[in-house]
This record gives sequence, structure tokens and C-alpha cells, in this order.
Amino acid sequence: QVQLQQSGAELVKPGTSVKLSCKASGYTFTSNHMNWIKQTTGQGLEWIGIINPGSGGTSYNVKFKGKATLTVDKSSSTAFMQLSSLTPEDSAVYYCARGYSGDYWGQGVMVTVSS
Amino acid sequence: DIQMTQSPSSMSVSLGDTVTITCRASQDVGIYVNWFQQKPGKSPRRMIYRATNLADGVPSRFSGSRSGSDYSLTISSLESEDVADYHCLQYDEYPYTFGAGTKLELK
Repeated sequence: QVQLQQSGAELVKPGTSVKLSCKASGYTFTSNHMNWIKQTTGQGLEWIGIINPGSGGTSYNVKFKGKATLTVDKSSSTAFMQLSSLTPEDSAVYYCARGYSGDYWGQGVMVTVSS
Repeated sequence: DIQMTQSPSSMSVSLGDTVTITCRASQDVGIYVNWFQQKPGKSPRRMIYRATNLADGVPSRFSGSRSGSDYSLTISSLESEDVADYHCLQYDEYPYTFGAGTKLELK
């Protein structure tokens, strides 16, 4: 069965970076794009960007360009999102979700940015 | 960016009710609208894809429809397990955009 297993919660300091992972199983990793989505109480769900694991090609929401960098490791069927220059406004739950349609989602990872 | 205007933001419901939630797209998104259910502390679950298609394992009391730029999710005979937040998503054009969400609460 399709599973997306995300890395654990992060507590990070302002100005630093964090790299989140999303390990896929139960399907051919390179056959489906991977989305990343941010969820906060105030802003709801926001689409960050999408990556084609086969080619490494990406599309980003302009709002997150320079903030998020999407990559993959095909050998481990894992997608990554690095968030840089973190501020308290980056505190949120981050999800990976498979495919254009978001048919399967990871369990989410809470990132807390605090000094 | 395409705006998905979702209404209502919250709804007080009773078991057995028929509930309809709507998203209006600010420009044409064709059939590329999904509906997600989200329960507290859980990931969103896809319920409807391409506006009208029931996702695998979703009860038949859920349905999706489209009228022009208005997309609706209808839950017939609401059950207790349906009390949750619901979100629409357009994935016709980057950046994908979500509606602001609808929270169902029991009266």
C-alpha cells in the first residue's frame, strides 16, 4: 500500500535551516510528482511547490521561492524540502502529498521556529 | 493566482442532515478541483477528485458537482464520522490553491 512517511517534529532557531524528508513506499517513486503543503491555523493550507522525482524538475509557489528547496533521492525513494532563513512565521505543519491530485498524504511534520 | 472562495467557513449540523459546501473559482479551472476531509491532528484525506469523482473507499453519501465556476461537496445523511474540516483545491494551474476551509460542528 502507498505510504508517505515523514520525518519527526523539529524545533529550530530563527535564521537557521531545516531539511524535512518524505519517504515513499508501495509504488514507483518516479512515476508520481510530489507536492509539499504548509498548514497553519491562520492561513489554512498553502501549496509550496511540486517536484518530478524522475527528472528533478520543480515548480514553486512564488511566495515560497527562496524559502523552500525541493529535492529527491531516487535511490531511497525519498523527497526532501529544505526551508531556509527560518522565522517564527515558518512555524507550521508541513505535508508531502503524492501526485497532481494529492491522493496520498504524509502524516505531517510540525516545525517550530523559536529562540 | 486563482482564488478559491469557500463557503461557509463553518456550519452547525445535525446527524442525518444533507450538507453542501461550495467553492467558487476566480477563473476557469475546468474539472481540476478536489475535496479533502481533515480531522483534528490528521492529514487531509482526498474525498472527491476531478470535481465529481468519488475517491477509493469514500462512502457514497459524499458527492461532488460543478456548475460553471462553482464546485460543491454534498454529504447526504450526515454521520458522526463526517464531522471534520473540509477543503477544496484547484490543481489546474500553478500555484495550486486551496479554499479557506469549512468546519462542520454538531449542534
